[in-house]
Amino acid sequence: DTEVTQTPKHLVMGMTNKKSLKCEQHMGHRAMYWYKQKAKKPPELMFVYSYEKLSINESVPSRFSPECPNSSLLNLHLHALQPEDSALYLCASSPSARQGFYGYTFGSGTRLTVV
Amino acid sequence: AQTVTQSQPEMSVQEAETVTLSCTYDTSESDYYLFWYKQPPSRQMILVIRQEAYKQQNATENRFSVNFQKAAKSFSLKISDSQLGDAAMYFCAYRSTGNQFYFGTGTSLTVIP
Repeated sequence: DTEVTQTPKHLVMGMTNKKSLKCEQHMGHRAMYWYKQKAKKPPELMFVYSYEKLSINESVPSRFSPECPNSSLLNLHLHALQPEDSALYLCASSPSARQGFYGYTFGSGTRLTVV
Repeated sequence: AQTVTQSQPEMSVQEAETVTLSCTYDTSESDYYLFWYKQPPSRQMILVIRQEAYKQQNATENRFSVNFQKAAKSFSLKISDSQLGDAAMYFCAYRSTGNQFYFGTGTSLTVIP
């Protein structure tokens, strides 16, 4: 299995809703990432998990809450989002967060719309 | 922080022709890695090609090759025999040991039949 699987592919939520995005990989990668991408813009790093521990939080608002229950699974819990949070949310993984040689394997993303 | 610049927001190429996408970066590090990623409308970021900075030989992957000029901090991508499936957003990215990716702003490539 050489894929990163993200669910759901599309999500529409109200500003008072609570929802979660899910990301799964079975490549044995020990680093996992959440990125936010606006249309025609590069991905922006949100969080980095290395060996299931949060190692980087790029000053993301607390309405985004990441969770890494095990080495294969990464969640992003969403609560009280704003319309400007509407974006494509990409998950990625790599064998290691510390070795620059490795590129990332990306998922296909979740298209989130906040209404 | 490192910066990655892609000066061509949009490019177009005739099918079967060759196109070159430019990328420059700024860094004070000597050991790093450079990548080109492709993002088609399907949204998934796909690794196209990778270059290790300590290697002088330019990387090649089938129809894709790079021109890596370390002193000039330039890393361009050449696509030969362009195909309709090459149409996508292309991102240049920089990564050093123990660090995250820095992405360029992207170049949108259109392939004209």
